[in-house]
Amino acid sequence: TQLLEQSPQFLSIQEGENLTVYCNSSSVFSSLQWYRQEPGEGPVLLVTVVTGGEVKKLKRLTFQFGDARKDSSLHITAAQPGDTGLYLCAGVVYRDHNAGNMLTFGGGTRLMVKP
Amino acid sequence: KAGVTQTPRYLIKTRGQQVTLSCSPISGHRSVSWYQQTPGQGLQFLFEYFSETQRNKGNFPGRFSGRQFSNSRSEMNVSTLELGDSALYLCASSRTSYEQYFGPGTRLTVT
Repeated sequence: TQLLEQSPQFLSIQEGENLTVYCNSSSVFSSLQWYRQEPGEGPVLLVTVVTGGEVKKLKRLTFQFGDARKDSSLHITAAQPGDTGLYLCAGVVYRDHNAGNMLTFGGGTRLMVKP
Repeated sequence: KAGVTQTPRYLIKTRGQQVTLSCSPISGHRSVSWYQQTPGQGLQFLFEYFSETQRNKGNFPGRFSGRQFSNSRSEMNVSTLELGDSALYLCASSRTSYEQYFGPGTRLTVT
């Protein structure tokens, strides 16, 4: 069983602060995805990182995949109230075409950004 | 392009009853996955259907079942409901089960 641990579980910060969320595993993943979920909605895919050491930026959000493809981080610069939500990482294990891909989700980080 | 739709959005059932939830995937998506989300356990994989066949299954009891129709629409059924089945049930569709597009979920409350 592949497990993904996210930390911290909860984070409450003031608008304008920076933060980092971590996603760690002892298993290697083919790729790693980050989702954001708002109350009453399903998770929305933010980014997929595929290559070890890869860094992707999405406006004020920076995503990094660990060199060994076992961990990832999400860094938000100058957080805004609109960033509030549940952030989920998901490790993807690629199998063959017939078996499809398996996603394992982390427990999530609930972020609140206060104005 | 219309997103993933799930019906109903909210449901209240009594212990021992059964329930059927419905999911309509994005047009062209043949993979439909179901997840259970609870505060304590997070997002847990139930099963995935691809071209009307169950391709993957999570670690849930046999009371949880599903099916997929020829138009890719999917249903999941939970029989003999227990209090612990109260959760948000999410459906996600994908072309390849790689990048998943989630619906808004069905909030099931078992009393």
